[in-house]
Amino acid sequence: KAGVTQTPRYLIKTRGQQVTLSCSPISGHRSVSWYQQTPGQGLQFLFEYFSETQRNKGNFPGRFSGRQFSNSRSEMNVSTLELGDSALYLCASSLAQAALNTEAFFGQGTRLTVV
Amino acid sequence: AQSVTQLDSQVPVFEEAPVELRCNYSSSVSVYLFWYVQYPNQGLQLLLKYLSGSTLVESINGFEAEFNKSQTSFHLRKPSVHISDTAEYFCAVSGATGGGNKLTFGTGTQLKVEL
Repeated sequence: KAGVTQTPRYLIKTRGQQVTLSCSPISGHRSVSWYQQTPGQGLQFLFEYFSETQRNKGNFPGRFSGRQFSNSRSEMNVSTLELGDSALYLCASSLAQAALNTEAFFGQGTRLTVV
Repeated sequence: AQSVTQLDSQVPVFEEAPVELRCNYSSSVSVYLFWYVQYPNQGLQLLLKYLSGSTLVESINGFEAEFNKSQTSFHLRKPSVHISDTAEYFCAVSGATGGGNKLTFGTGTQLKVEL
């Protein structure tokens, strides 16, 4: 069974640009969550999608958005990039519906560098 | 609201020595606890989880953690570490208002195993 696939693995963007990251969950998983990892703030929850609906959202500005498609693949978009958006963006997929106790499987992440 | 505290940012230890990585949590709802490991330039891998039942949980590579409700702790232990255990370890609690999947992570503990 293939794991969680994130593309691209590495990305360099300029301040003010926008970026789209992609995540393909494990087959059969319908929940996709996104996390931002930085040395200063650690791992922070961005949002979660389930069956194409955003179910939870973290404390990030509106420049951060996401969506999920009918095949459960998800994208996240960051507009008007700032230097502080440089981070490792991790996607996690879960089988769960509303339960809180389901294991999350993580992709290898997309390393975004904003210059 | 939930939070996780990992008391040690770095733990150096010699190979074959025992190690304990500390984790304390706070949560106002039922608790599901996880330990994840992250190797350089990689995503997160689940090490072990506590969902319910026995308070002592074990991983396939010799790690164990004990859920202690009275002390709100979920410390990770290994009786004899190997050089390959060098990595960053994250404790996490699961939960979100209204259901769904959201992990709140601690700040991580860098385990460095030395010869």
